[in-house]
Amino acid sequence: SAVISQKPSRDICQRGTSLTIQCQVDSQVTMMFWYRQQPGQSLTLIATANQGSEATYESGFVIDKFPISRPNLTFSTLTVSNMSPEDSSIYLCSVGHGRLTDTQYFGPGTRLTVL
Amino acid sequence: TQLLEQSPQFLSIQEGENLTVYCNSSSVFSSLQWYRQEPGEGPVLLVTVVTGGEVKKLKRLTFQFGDARKDSSLHITAAQPGDTGLYLCAGVSNSGYALNFGKGTSLLVTP
Repeated sequence: SAVISQKPSRDICQRGTSLTIQCQVDSQVTMMFWYRQQPGQSLTLIATANQGSEATYESGFVIDKFPISRPNLTFSTLTVSNMSPEDSSIYLCSVGHGRLTDTQYFGPGTRLTVL
Repeated sequence: TQLLEQSPQFLSIQEGENLTVYCNSSSVFSSLQWYRQEPGEGPVLLVTVVTGGEVKKLKRLTFQFGDARKDSSLHITAAQPGDTGLYLCAGVSNSGYALNFGKGTSLLVTP
């Protein structure tokens, strides 16, 4: 298993600003993912954070809006840029040791409200 | 995108009752996972079903994967307040890469 922490746990931000969310794991992991969970909606994969290279984004998500860093095997950040109220959501990071088919462990999430 | 429909969306029952939650799709999945998510927490994996027709039991929870690998069900026997939470199913595509989540079933079990 893996213990995952996210910072901040919640935030309220103004339109047009940016927020960086941190994800820290207590052990080295192969895979790190970022998800969005909008109210009443399912979890949607934003991107796979690749260590030492650019993240792999899913359809509908772009690097300019959601830049991701992964400097090592235990840490990643997701930035939500130029925020609008539509970005209000819970952002979750998850980790695994293989592909998505393997067990994933989720962080507690960051609840973002954009005014 | 392979869509997963979960039903019911909301369920409120008394302690001791039985319930079944459904996860349906028109697409075939190589495997399907069930998660439970409590408020303020991330989803926690309960089970992965892989083989069509497979049945797995986790204490009072019984999971079944449809023969055609397009649907799954979760049955809870003698529900307890500790079972309260959001139950999510997630289908793994045949490519093994994409993990598609349903919208979830929000369960409330009252004493």
